[in-house]
Amino acid sequence: DIQMTQSPSSLSASVGDRVTITCRASQGIRNELGWYQQKPGKAPKRLIYAASSLQSGVPSRFSGSGSGTEFTLTISSLQPEDFATYYCLQHNSYPLTFGGGTKVEIK
Amino acid sequence: EVQLLESGGGLVQPGGSPRLSCAGSGFTFSNYAMSWVRQAPGKGLEWVSDISGSGGSTYYADPVKGRFTISRDNSKNTLYLQMNSLRAEDTAVYYCAKRGSGAAGWDFDYWGQGTLVTVSS
Repeated sequence: DIQMTQSPSSLSASVGDRVTITCRASQGIRNELGWYQQKPGKAPKRLIYAASSLQSGVPSRFSGSGSGTEFTLTISSLQPEDFATYYCLQHNSYPLTFGGGTKVEIK
Repeated sequence: EVQLLESGGGLVQPGGSPRLSCAGSGFTFSNYAMSWVRQAPGKGLEWVSDISGSGGSTYYADPVKGRFTISRDNSKNTLYLQMNSLRAEDTAVYYCAKRGSGAAGWDFDYWGQGTLVTVSS
């Protein structure tokens, strides 16, 4: 099974800050990675697919990069509505696996 | 507009066998693989099972293999998860999710609102 190690598990940031979240895969997954945002009590929402493609309707302050085993989600200027938990997902092979999540909190 | 609507959750006794349903609309249901993903209270996301668009291929996470069965009825645009021999650790919100395809990405592009399954006596 492919393990997805996501870091940090939580962070505190201020509005306007640049935020970076990392996922590391235990083996190469090409670009078969997505990023999701989840707010309390709500379903996850896709932000990024194929490691770096922005989902339609998602603000351009979100971006993804990486390939192989190292991936990054960047929020260029954190907005109040971005405080949430973020997950990466590898879909290169079964079982599909999520990272452990990163909770982004207000400083 | 793509919509996924789950139903069938609730309080279930250990060993129980509920069936979850997910009605899809706003897309050609049979063209897409579908998935179940769960989230235990206060925990992260866990993939549970996948089924191909035709229903001919299915995949399961180890914790549910042999106990859960995924299926679909493309004539009714509905996905199912038959859950047997439920345990306390199966308590979770269960989401159905649509898999994308091709250049639009093969991961989960749309999610339902989730249905809570609580396993308790």
